[in-house]
Parts: sequence; C-alpha cells; structure tokens
Amino acid sequence: AQSVTQLDSQVPVFEEAPVELRCNYSSSVSVYLFWYVQYPNQGLQLLLKYLSGSTLVKGINGFEAEFNKSQTSFHLRKPSVHISDTAEYFCAVSAKGGSEKLVFGKGTKLTVNP
Amino acid sequence: NAGVTQTPKFQVLKTGQSMTLQCAQDMNHEYMSWYRQDPGMGLRLIHYSVGAGITDQGEVPNGYNVSRSTTEDFPLRLLSAAPSQTSVYFCASSYVRGKNGYTFGSGTRLTVV
Repeated sequence: AQSVTQLDSQVPVFEEAPVELRCNYSSSVSVYLFWYVQYPNQGLQLLLKYLSGSTLVKGINGFEAEFNKSQTSFHLRKPSVHISDTAEYFCAVSAKGGSEKLVFGKGTKLTVNP
Repeated sequence: NAGVTQTPKFQVLKTGQSMTLQCAQDMNHEYMSWYRQDPGMGLRLIHYSVGAGITDQGEVPNGYNVSRSTTEDFPLRLLSAAPSQTSVYFCASSYVRGKNGYTFGSGTRLTVV
C-alpha cells in the first residue's frame, strides 16, 4: 500500500517570495506522483505529474517539482508566488502497474499575502 | 464541455434520509471513483470502479453504495444519512492504467442535520 505525508498543513508567504511545499511518500513498489491544486470552492486540478525519466517536472502556473527516490520525496516549488496562488495543494501517489487508485496527502494550504 | 459533471452542488438532508449523488463523464474513462473531503483529512476514497459492472470498496465505504451500469455514470447512494456524512464529495475519472491523473468534478457539498 502507498501513503503520502505532507509535512506542512499551512504555509504563509509574501507575494513574490519563493515557496516549497513538502511531500514524502511511502511505497514498496515504484510509483507515479502527482500534485493537485484546489482553489476555494472548486474541484481539484492537476498541476503536474511524475511518471518516469527526468526527476525535475514542470507544471502549470510556473510550478515545478523534483522527484527524489532515495528520500522518497516529491516537493513542489515556485520561485515567485502571486496572490492568485492562494489555494490548497495536494500530493498524491499511485502504484506503477497496479491499481489506478490515487492516495492523497492531507493537503497544504498556501496563503500568499500582499 | 467535456469533463465530469456532479449533481447536485449542494444538499441538506435530515438524519435517516437517503439520496443519490450523481456523477457523469463524457470522456470514455473506464475508471471512476468517489472521494470525500473533510477539513484536515485530505481526500479519502469511498468506492471506485474500473469499468461497467465492476465496483470495489475504498478506504471509507460504510454507509455508501455504488453501481456502474454504464461507462458514463457512477452514482453514489447514501442509504441512511448520518451527521458524520456531512462532507464535500468529489467524483473523479481517468483511463484505466492511465498516467494522466484524474479529472475531478466540481463537488457536492452535503450537510446532514
């Protein structure tokens, strides 16, 4: 079985500052990794995904994430955030070659202040 | 527009009532699932289906029932609503063995009083 730990439940930052949202996973098999964003009162939208290959993955809205197999991490980063990035971010994992089930972390609420 | 459609968007139920949350997708996705979202708990899988006629339980299936008679539709039934089922419910779909992640509906906010 897979599990995901998002280390910070809330992250406040100022506009134009860099941000890193941390995600660690646990799995006995190889995995696919995903980051989703949820804006207030909306559904979840895929930000980026890691399937294989290059460990640095770029997504929408200037976000990127780096897969680190030895540390079982998939941290999300953005070099300069905007007010509009205020949202909740979810890290998720699924097993390669296994069930399609996605296991989600508990989420990190990013608040960008002016 | 292509995507996952959930109805209703909001619902208030009395304890003991039953209801069905509807979910439909028009992307020919084989895989469909229901999650509930509660503050501080993330998303927890209720039930899922890998194709018409095939369903299975997720992490928190008690009190919920599903069926999958067509590829497009995956309704979630609350058999006898309880206050503990107050939550936001999301339906999601994807291609089986797909690597593109899920497409989510916009959610149903359910309150049980």
